[in-house]
Amino acid sequence: EAGVAQSPRYKIIEKRQSVAFWCNPISGHATLYWYQQILGQGPKLLIQFQNNGVVDDSQLPKDRFSAERLKGVDSTLKIQPAKLEDSAVYLCASTWGASAEQFFGPGTRLTVL
Amino acid sequence: AQSVAQPEDQVNVAEGNPLTVKCTYSVSGNPYLFWYVQYPNRGLQFLLKYITGDNLVKGSYGFEAEFNKSQTSFHLKKPSALVSDSALYFCAVRDSSASKIIFGSGTRLSIRP
Repeated sequence: EAGVAQSPRYKIIEKRQSVAFWCNPISGHATLYWYQQILGQGPKLLIQFQNNGVVDDSQLPKDRFSAERLKGVDSTLKIQPAKLEDSAVYLCASTWGASAEQFFGPGTRLTVL
Repeated sequence: AQSVAQPEDQVNVAEGNPLTVKCTYSVSGNPYLFWYVQYPNRGLQFLLKYITGDNLVKGSYGFEAEFNKSQTSFHLKKPSALVSDSALYFCAVRDSSASKIIFGSGTRLSIRP
């Protein structure tokens, strides 16, 4: 079975620029998560989708971050404009149910200069 | 509100010795508990979970964890450590009545030959 795919793997941008990340979850997984992992810390949930609806986006900085999951499959996470403190690894994960484990993609390492 | 704590930033163990990585949690309902491992430049990989049933759960790579309701703990254990076990380990908890999963800050496990 194919895993969770993410692209790009690495991105370097200047502050105030915009950037977008893409995630393709495991086929059949209804729930998709975006996490931000700052170096030395645990993953922090940014947004959770159930199919194409948002379940939790309470920790998403909505003035600069946006995410969508069209057709309940692929998802994109966008940052506009980026700040220095957005430098982190952005992880996408998917799962089929509430009690099930999450499957993580390899992540996108973002560096904001 | 739910929370999870990993009190040790780093655990050092000699190869062949038993290892324990500690995790305590707080939820209002019944907990779903997970352990994940992260190798350098990789996404998180699922090790094991407790949902219900036996307090001792077995997972990948010879790891096991014991759910202790009275102490609200879910410590990760392995009888004999390998150098290849060296990685970053995350405990995560989800309240069975909620949608959000919370990750601990991580414990770096270092196994010396």
